[in-house]
Amino acid sequence: ETGVTQTPRHLVMGMTNKKSLKCEQHLGHNAMYWYKQSAKKPLELMFVYNFKEQTENNSVPSRFSPECPNSSHLFLHLHTLQPEDSALYLCASSLQRSSYEQYFGPGTRLTVT
Amino acid sequence: AQTVTQSQPEMSVQEAETVTLSCTYDTSESDYYLFWYKQPPSRQMILVIRQEAYKQQNATENRFSVNFQKAAKSFSLKISDSQLGDAAMYFCAYRSVDTGTASKLTFGTGTRLQVTL
Repeated sequence: ETGVTQTPRHLVMGMTNKKSLKCEQHLGHNAMYWYKQSAKKPLELMFVYNFKEQTENNSVPSRFSPECPNSSHLFLHLHTLQPEDSALYLCASSLQRSSYEQYFGPGTRLTVT
Repeated sequence: AQTVTQSQPEMSVQEAETVTLSCTYDTSESDYYLFWYKQPPSRQMILVIRQEAYKQQNATENRFSVNFQKAAKSFSLKISDSQLGDAAMYFCAYRSVDTGTASKLTFGTGTRLQVTL
């Protein structure tokens, strides 16, 4: 397995469910990101982790809870979501220095019913 | 805060022809990075090309080139000899120079490119 992987690729959950999205990078990067991609809107950065430490939280509701146990893995724990949270959730990773680009995973298509 | 604007929601080009996608941005910074990403139907965002603001020379990657106009804050992408596989959403993105922490990308809303026979 190479690059950035995300599981599951598709997820349908009810508003009272608890689920988790997983991201794994095999590139030796030290920074990881969660983005939300909704139709007709720019990608929204949700969280940034640098060397396992959260360095940014862009006013994301507490029903989204990130976890970064090590530099290779990133989780997004979901609970009591709303229908408007339905979107494509993209994970990315990079080396810390800004001259390096971010590499993206294929995303998880989330539908909240 | 920086903003990125892509004013063309959709574009169409015939195979083997050339197409230019527009991007403008707003920033008060003098040094930064600009990127074009491609997102095909498979959803995997792929880097197409990168431009450092301090470089006057426009970046080129095979059939892809940019026209970077720093004073006008414009960063357009030119695709030459378009191929069916170029059909995708294209996103323009801005990134500040390293401040010692993992830096973030600011994206535009994207341009959907169709390639016709």
